[in-house]
Amino acid sequence: LAKTTQPISMDSYEGQEVNITCSHNNIATNDYITWYQQFPSQGPRFIIQGYKTKVTNEVASLFIPADRKSSTLSLPRVSLSDTAVYYCLVGGLSSNTGKLIFGQGTTLQVKP
Amino acid sequence: GAGVSQSPSNKVTEKGKDVELRCDPISGHTALYWYRQRLGQGLEFLIYFQGNSAPDKSGLPSDRFSAERTGESVSTLTIQRTQQEDSAVYLCASSLRPSAGSYEQYFGPGTRLTVT
Repeated sequence: LAKTTQPISMDSYEGQEVNITCSHNNIATNDYITWYQQFPSQGPRFIIQGYKTKVTNEVASLFIPADRKSSTLSLPRVSLSDTAVYYCLVGGLSSNTGKLIFGQGTTLQVKP
Repeated sequence: GAGVSQSPSNKVTEKGKDVELRCDPISGHTALYWYRQRLGQGLEFLIYFQGNSAPDKSGLPSDRFSAERTGESVSTLTIQRTQQEDSAVYLCASSLRPSAGSYEQYFGPGTRLTVT
C-alpha cells in the first residue's frame, strides 16, 4: 500500500478555508484516495474519497492533480468543531482486503 | 440505524490476565476490521474478516492475540496474558464487501484497554 505523508499539525481560525495536502508518490493505478476525520475519544469518520480531478460533497472538497502523487483536502469556512485529526489514506483492489493504513494524520486546531 | 458498537467501553486489567473485546458491526456489513490505536498515534491494522473467515491476519502483533467472528455479525478480539504494551484503544470497523473505490469503513467508539 502506498505510503502517505502529511503535515503533523495545522492551525486555522474560524471562517477560514483550510487546505491539507497529502503526498503519496507511490500510489498505484487502482488506488483511491480517502480522507477520514477523528475527534478525541471517537473512532475515525469517513469524509471523502476520490480517484482523480475533483470531488465535492456537503462537507469537503478533494483535489487530485493529474499525476495523482498528491491530494488536497479542502474544508470551507471551518468552525471550532472542525478541530480534529485528519488522515489521508490510499488503497484499492491491489490490497484485496480494504485494509486501511493510517499514518500520523494532521492535527487541525481551529481557533476563535 | 444503529452504528458499530463495542463493549466494554473501558477495561482495566492486571498484567497477565486475559481480556475479551466485543464488536457488533452494522447489520448487512460483511467486512469487519480491528485496529489498535496507541495514545497520540495513528491506527494500526490488526485483522480483517470477510464473513466469518479472516483472509488477512497480518497485523496481529503476537500469538497472544486472536479474533473470531460468528457469521456476519459479532466479533471478539481476545488478548491472552496481557502486557503493559497492550494498553491502547481497540477500534472495530465494518463495511460492505471491499471493492474498487469503496473503502468507507464505519468505526465504533472503541474499547480503551489499560493494563496495570
